[in-house]
Amino acid sequence: QLQLQESGPGLVKPSQSLTLTCSVSGGSISSGGKSWTWIRQPRGKGLEWIGYIYKGGRAFYNPSLKSRVSMSVDGSKNQFSLEMTSVTDADTAVYYCATNAVSGTDVWIALWGQGLMVTVSS
Amino acid sequence: QSVLTQPPSVSGAPGQRVTISCTGSTSNFGAGFDVHWYQQLPGAAPKLLIYGNNNRPSGVPDRFSGSKSGTSASLAITGLQAEDEADYYCQSYDNDLSGVIFGGGTKLTVL
Repeated sequence: QLQLQESGPGLVKPSQSLTLTCSVSGGSISSGGKSWTWIRQPRGKGLEWIGYIYKGGRAFYNPSLKSRVSMSVDGSKNQFSLEMTSVTDADTAVYYCATNAVSGTDVWIALWGQGLMVTVSS
Repeated sequence: QSVLTQPPSVSGAPGQRVTISCTGSTSNFGAGFDVHWYQQLPGAAPKLLIYGNNNRPSGVPDRFSGSKSGTSASLAITGLQAEDEADYYCQSYDNDLSGVIFGGGTKLTVL
């Protein structure tokens, strides 16, 4: 049974960079055609897609965040990561890592991690 | 403001049927992209409820069903139960934005 677990700092200062890691267990991050996603949710608000990355490193980002975001995959550790630069309080949210399912050009989120609360504050 | 539009809230009594609408546009549903639905129980991560317009993952009761027509989609829940009280989100892909999009979410209250 595939499981995902987010890790990283719970508190980040404004203008600093945020790096989150998602550890995958119960399966290989390099198997099949899976892609790996980050999504966030400000408290009391809706879901926002940040981006997703394939095992080979090809990544697709939300255009509104593209200039500040990068993702990477580490097959040796069975992990994938999110880096977000120049954070502001608008980046305060619960961050979810997840795995996608793909059929043709359709993408949906098959399995979610439990989420990690990240607060941006001085 | 979300690209997919959902009503902020719906409600129904136990045993009743409720529907949640999700309105898109020609760059997502109208372009042929499917709708997918997620259920988020209070304090929990979202969970896949419906994929590919009307398919249920293993373990999802058949009380939940989905449909899509043109630029609109809907989620129907029959035989409403107290445990169905949650937030529901629709999701698709958008050509103009070149990415995954979500609806703003609908809070279902079981009266």
